[in-house]
Amino acid sequence: DQQVKQNSPSLSVQEGRISILNCDYTNSMFDYFLWYKKYPAEGPTFLISISSIKDKNEDGRFTVFLNKSAKHLSLHIVPSQPGDSAVYFCAASANGNEKLTFGTGTRLTIIP
Amino acid sequence: GAVVSQHPSRVICKSGTSVKIECRSLDFQATTMFWYRQFPKQSLMLMATSNEGSKATYEQGVEKDKFLINHASLTLSTLTVTSAHPEDSSFYICSAREPTGTRNEKLFFGSGTQLSVL
Repeated sequence: DQQVKQNSPSLSVQEGRISILNCDYTNSMFDYFLWYKKYPAEGPTFLISISSIKDKNEDGRFTVFLNKSAKHLSLHIVPSQPGDSAVYFCAASANGNEKLTFGTGTRLTIIP
Repeated sequence: GAVVSQHPSRVICKSGTSVKIECRSLDFQATTMFWYRQFPKQSLMLMATSNEGSKATYEQGVEKDKFLINHASLTLSTLTVTSAHPEDSSFYICSAREPTGTRNEKLFFGSGTQLSVL
């Protein structure tokens, strides 16, 4: 049972444009969501997070939006840069738990 | 940022042998480390939570006698895949939480180990 889903395995975006990565979840107990970025041969690194009490969190070029009613979150990157090319994982946790449930990842390619 | 080192990055072994994977937190002490597994085209799945000085907590469906976890110090956790079989071939990755962090922002991952069992 995949509780966190990233339905797009890959995405290509022109440099300078907006990249939008999507994530859906099924477990209503999830109350904290994170995005991780992973380069080849490296471990995932934390990018941005959002608590369920918010619907938006912004950090520089990265903004995460949360729609609790739709159980959907998205990561916006604007403007997209070549260094953003990586695999992006959505993850969720519940009740202050350290356990993370991950999505399958979306490979983002920024085209120069 | 904090660094978690995982070794080896790749291992190929014969069926029936045991393989040990090490996970070290290089610049912080981690009382808790996590071990994940990822099969092709699937998500990272938590296998177990490793607690320093105590027994690991395994997720449902993960055989504790097959995947031995030892967290003997605040900077080292090891995962031993015992009597490995081809179906154990997977990508294994560890993570450690920096104690000063809140929730999971301070969760740092190793670079992973690709295990191939022939």
